[in-house]
Amino acid sequence: RKEVEQDPGPFNVPEGATVAFNCTYSNSASQSFFWYRQDCRKEPKLLMSVYSSGNEDGRFTAQLNRASQYISLLIRDSKLSDSATYLCVPMDSSYKLIFGSGTRLLVRP
Amino acid sequence: DVKVTQSSRYLVKRTGEKVFLECVQDMDHENMFWYRQDPGLGLRLIYFSYDVKMKEKGDIPEGYSVSREKKERFSLILESASTNQTSMYLCASSVSGSSYQETQYFGPGTRLLVL
Repeated sequence: RKEVEQDPGPFNVPEGATVAFNCTYSNSASQSFFWYRQDCRKEPKLLMSVYSSGNEDGRFTAQLNRASQYISLLIRDSKLSDSATYLCVPMDSSYKLIFGSGTRLLVRP
Repeated sequence: DVKVTQSSRYLVKRTGEKVFLECVQDMDHENMFWYRQDPGLGLRLIYFSYDVKMKEKGDIPEGYSVSREKKERFSLILESASTNQTSMYLCASSVSGSSYQETQYFGPGTRLLVL
């Protein structure tokens, strides 16, 4: 079983739509979780951190379910500029980041 | 703003060549990391360093070595490049690596093609 599993997508949604991605992780000892955004041929950039049950930042909401070992990312009112790959990244007990392969989002006009 | 820079955006090398990839960060971070990213595999950790002259193997260190002579600079070395080392190489840094609330900041990446 992969340490981090994400649906690769692509999720193809119209502007203004709400879209949600799920991510499951295998290490129950993970304390922190991050969502990174990666544009095509660019480096990953931190989008959100999740330390407790969830976090909200504008149109973006992340929720953590420790019992089921999954994290979700909800994007409301999608913009064209949200088109990117979203990486789910738990941190393990030795402070190392474990990267998922990412979910690709395409927002169309 | 944290700035992590990498010496080259694109590199083309021949099989058997020695390849140096350089990374510099300007935020006095303790930790530095080298990853490679391949389609469908996500980022995989090659080596990391938590202090000057210190290094630790990551998940896929074979065929690579690293050097950290100064705090701000972390070099990845391919002693004898092979075609299966064609990849995107990403350098990252973090403050100290001893907090669950700490994240990593990435450089722009180097696309290496080994012919």
